[in-house]
Amino acid sequence: DAKTTQPPSMDCAEGRAANLPCNHSTISGNEYVYWYRQIHSQGPQYIIHGLKNNETNEMASLIITEDRKSSTLILPHATLRDTAVYYCIALMNYGGATNKLIFGTGTLLAVQP
Amino acid sequence: KAGVTQTPRYLIKTRGQQVTLSCSPISGHRSVSWYQQTPGQGLQFLFEYFSETQRNKGNFPGRFSGRQFSNSRSEMNVSTLELGDSALYLCASTRGGQRNTEAFFGQGTRLTVV
Repeated sequence: DAKTTQPPSMDCAEGRAANLPCNHSTISGNEYVYWYRQIHSQGPQYIIHGLKNNETNEMASLIITEDRKSSTLILPHATLRDTAVYYCIALMNYGGATNKLIFGTGTLLAVQP
Repeated sequence: KAGVTQTPRYLIKTRGQQVTLSCSPISGHRSVSWYQQTPGQGLQFLFEYFSETQRNKGNFPGRFSGRQFSNSRSEMNVSTLELGDSALYLCASTRGGQRNTEAFFGQGTRLTVV
């Protein structure tokens, strides 16, 4: 699985968009980009995933560059409850992969009031 | 529907003892994975079970083992506990046979070894 690189921490003002970057320069053609987050002392929570097209759901948007070497998770209107560690993971595209998550160190997003 | 349930939530054990943790996946999910989270090593993949068979394994010593039952419930066992085994143990479930699905995590079992 491709290695991902994320900044260790970021701040965001409440109500503003939070843009969390992720580099995955060695990603292969059949690896998906998944995002999870972990609020303190809770189990990780799935946010979104994509292959090459931009994706949006009720929680966030995922923008993947055309060369697929990096992506950005966008939380459109961050709230204090979005304070968490955000993990970007590259996963092979087969059934067993989606439950074999290799977590990096993630980005601690601190939403400020 | 009910989420992933892990029991117990908290556990204190003594060095040298063994411990068994339980995980009940979401109904219909056939894949269960286990993770260890410590402040020093972060979230690390232990193993994954699908249809009662271990399908993937992380880089942990043989003291860490698991199994899955026919109803997809899973247990993990740690024998000869060491102080370094103190951690949050998380379980996650997916449908298993499908691609592009997300994993659902339980709240974890906090194990303290004294």
